[in-house]
Amino acid sequence: AQSVTQPDIHITVSEGASLELRCNYSYGATPYLFWYVQSPGQGLQLLLKYFSGDTLVQGIKGFEAEFKRSQSSFNLRKPSVHWSDAAEYFCAGSAGGNTPLVFGKGTRLSVIA
Amino acid sequence: EAGVAQSPRYKIIEKRQSVAFWCNPISGHATLYWYQQILGQGPKLLIQFQNNGVVDDSQLPKDRFSAERLKGVDSTLKIQPAKLEDSAVYLCASSTGTDKYFGPGTRLTVT
Repeated sequence: AQSVTQPDIHITVSEGASLELRCNYSYGATPYLFWYVQSPGQGLQLLLKYFSGDTLVQGIKGFEAEFKRSQSSFNLRKPSVHWSDAAEYFCAGSAGGNTPLVFGKGTRLSVIA
Repeated sequence: EAGVAQSPRYKIIEKRQSVAFWCNPISGHATLYWYQQILGQGPKLLIQFQNNGVVDDSQLPKDRFSAERLKGVDSTLKIQPAKLEDSAVYLCASSTGTDKYFGPGTRLTVT
């Protein structure tokens, strides 16, 4: 079955420090992969997506993610975290087209001064 | 471009009562999804519509949940009767392809 795993439930980083959120996927073929962010009481906002081509994708708010087929991973990174980045982050995958997204359980990011 | 609209934003009901949620997708989006997001978990698909037809409702608890999308535009999701474990955020999303656009969700609390 198709699945997406986020191993870290909660991560705390200092403001200005770098960030890496982990995501692993299990799909038969190369999936379409996404990272979403959800602030408290808000809906899901798309940060970035990977379909094919360049394995390093750039997103909004200074985020990037790298697709690594050999490790079945699609980790999200940011070189310098801001306090406003504190939120819940979800990795998701789909088989493309109108097939629905399968989400990981999310990683809650806390940012300390 | 207007986003996906959902109402109400919050709802508190007692167990065994019924409740309905409404979703208005982005104009022109043929595909509509309902997801359930329990606290501390990722969203889980409940049902997918293509226009006014059901594509996938395999994870919809059909003994208590129902959904419809009349005329292929707006959709309603109903729970009757509600259980405590139905407390969650119900998210609606729409798409024309790979990109999905989510509404703000309806937070349901069942007491």
